[in-house]
Amino acid sequence: EAQVTQNPRYLITVTGKKLTVTCSQNMNHEYMSWYRQDPGLGLRQIYYSMNVEVTDKGDVPEGYKVSRKEKRNFPLILESPSPNQTSLYFCASSLMEGYGYTFGSGTRLTVV
Amino acid sequence: AQSVSQHNHHVILSEAASLELGCNYSYGGTVNLFWYVQYPGQHLQLLLKYFSGDPLVKGIKGFEAEFIKSKFSFNLRKPSVQWSDTAEYFCAVNAGGSSASKIIFGSGTRLSIRP
Repeated sequence: EAQVTQNPRYLITVTGKKLTVTCSQNMNHEYMSWYRQDPGLGLRQIYYSMNVEVTDKGDVPEGYKVSRKEKRNFPLILESPSPNQTSLYFCASSLMEGYGYTFGSGTRLTVV
Repeated sequence: AQSVSQHNHHVILSEAASLELGCNYSYGGTVNLFWYVQYPGQHLQLLLKYFSGDPLVKGIKGFEAEFIKSKFSFNLRKPSVQWSDTAEYFCAVNAGGSSASKIIFGSGTRLSIRP
């Protein structure tokens, strides 16, 4: 089944403890992206990647890192999480530019 | 900078009523436009998309949207809603050119359908 898989689905962590949210797609898509969803703000793009080793900042990149060493994987790294990063995170992938994203099921992160 | 506006934050309708959700974007060049739906507790799913050609686009579940370039609008419509359409709806725009990988979302419209 074609899908974008994120793990974990739920995560509670403490301020400052580094964490990684994994994202994997099995559709051989070139484009991948991370969004965060907050009430009243919709989805805001954190980072996106156009191919292996090619990434760029979205609208809210501060406090996040990404890497794209393989085409299928696009992990999101929070080196020192803070409470304002408590949010619902979605990974997404797309076959080509502007084609529309397929989304993962989301990761609900709480930083205390 | 690109932006997407969805002016209706919460819409409440009765079953069988007609639906129109507004979406306006700010970008003067070529755009690709999308509507996504997010059912409670689920991830976003693509309802429909516009790339070029016929400005009236038909999507899944009986939804359609009309691209009106002169108004920078891409409103979502459905002639007769069902209780199962209760969800949050997001309009999104992707500008062509160097920022083609960036898809900007609106803040969403929550749709509640009364049985």
